[in-house]
Amino acid sequence: DTAVSQTPKYLVTQMGNDKSIKCEQNLGHDTMYWYKQDSKKFLKIMFSYNNKELIINETVPNRFSPKSPDKAHLNLHINSLELGDSAVYFCASSQAITSGNTIYFGEGSWLTVV
Amino acid sequence: GENVEQHPSTLSVQEGDSAVIKCTYSDSASNYFPWYKQELGKRPQLIIDIRSNVGEKKDQRIAVTLNKTAKHFSLHITETQPEDSAVYFCAASSYNNNDMRFGAGTRLTVKP
Repeated sequence: DTAVSQTPKYLVTQMGNDKSIKCEQNLGHDTMYWYKQDSKKFLKIMFSYNNKELIINETVPNRFSPKSPDKAHLNLHINSLELGDSAVYFCASSQAITSGNTIYFGEGSWLTVV
Repeated sequence: GENVEQHPSTLSVQEGDSAVIKCTYSDSASNYFPWYKQELGKRPQLIIDIRSNVGEKKDQRIAVTLNKTAKHFSLHITETQPEDSAVYFCAASSYNNNDMRFGAGTRLTVKP
């Protein structure tokens, strides 16, 4: 009964390919996120969705396209993968504003572009 | 937007000693400050948090202090144990948005 689950956990792919990472949360949260963690361990927000609506879009290349079919799911599609996209991608979720924004992370998806 | 600075980037202590990690934030509207622990190969997990209406919070060997005037907050771990070895992240956010910003992380090593 993982609260925030994402698949796949490991992904090795060639430059130029298109890949997707899926995320689902069963916590009943209204907000979902994608964070990128690079080799230096920096945790950077990429996107934030509240009730399926995009509310944060950091300076992420438009090769990255999030999709939220409902508030329990937030998928990340990446086009034309580049070497620099290699990182760990964490999906996360939180309650709406009034509960203090505690964020719960998924287990991460290790993406390696070769 | 919010900018969170965290120091030190690495910290090595002897088992049983205390460890202190410090963070500063820039947005005076920030009022929620969680700390996350990330073990090798695992997800970041919340260990303690503090809201702006209190100055200190303790949970067994872990405590967090907040100085709103100076815009800084700290994590204190007492009687450290080898299993405390991990990367620790501070973060800050406000009730006005769903944007949580993280510090750069501190790699804590506790030597037996």
